[in-house]
Amino acid sequence: DAGVIQSPRHEVTEMGQEVTLRCKPISGHDYLFWYRQTMMRGLELLIYFNNNVPIDDSGMPEDRFSAKMPNASFSTLKIQPSEPRDSAVYFCASSPRGGRTEAFFGQGTRLTVV
Amino acid sequence: GENVEQHPSTLSVQEGDSAVIKCTYSDSASNYFPWYKQELGKRPQLIIDIRSNVGEKKDQRIAVTLNKTAKHFSLHITETQPEDSAVYFCAASRGNTGFQKLVFGTGTRLLVSP
Repeated sequence: DAGVIQSPRHEVTEMGQEVTLRCKPISGHDYLFWYRQTMMRGLELLIYFNNNVPIDDSGMPEDRFSAKMPNASFSTLKIQPSEPRDSAVYFCASSPRGGRTEAFFGQGTRLTVV
Repeated sequence: GENVEQHPSTLSVQEGDSAVIKCTYSDSASNYFPWYKQELGKRPQLIIDIRSNVGEKKDQRIAVTLNKTAKHFSLHITETQPEDSAVYFCAASRGNTGFQKLVFGTGTRLLVSP
């Protein structure tokens, strides 16, 4: 298995534009997580899914952020409209057993909003 | 909810010395404590984890200890090498009663000088 795959690796966009980040979890993993990493706040859990269903989105910072998981092999995190303070590295991770075992992280998407 | 504090934020050691990173958690029901290593520009990866029914776990030069009474756990790296230089994150979750999200500490930047 190639691991968790995220795209794009880097994204530079102008303030106000829509940004879509994509993730393919490891096959067979029931849990998918979206994290945001910044120097100031470290690793923050934004939202997680279990069997494609969003379970906890309490970490999503604002209504500008939305996430979907239409099937077991694909998830998106969308920011509309984007703002400079959204600049961060966004990680997707998957796990076969939720918080009871290892979370496998993707390579991350470095988002820069100018 | 769970709150994880991690110290120190930066740690510089000479090659061959030992390094210790400490974390405290607030939720007495937490029972799964993983440690992740993140090299510059790369994804976080699990290096060792411990569950609350165990007080210590070792894997070659790495060990983790857990004190449930005091609600703290530590990562010990012996005979440090330059390739140990990275950011280390501790985390905690209640893993055994359904899913509970991993809450990460703020990270420790370890620098091992040759």
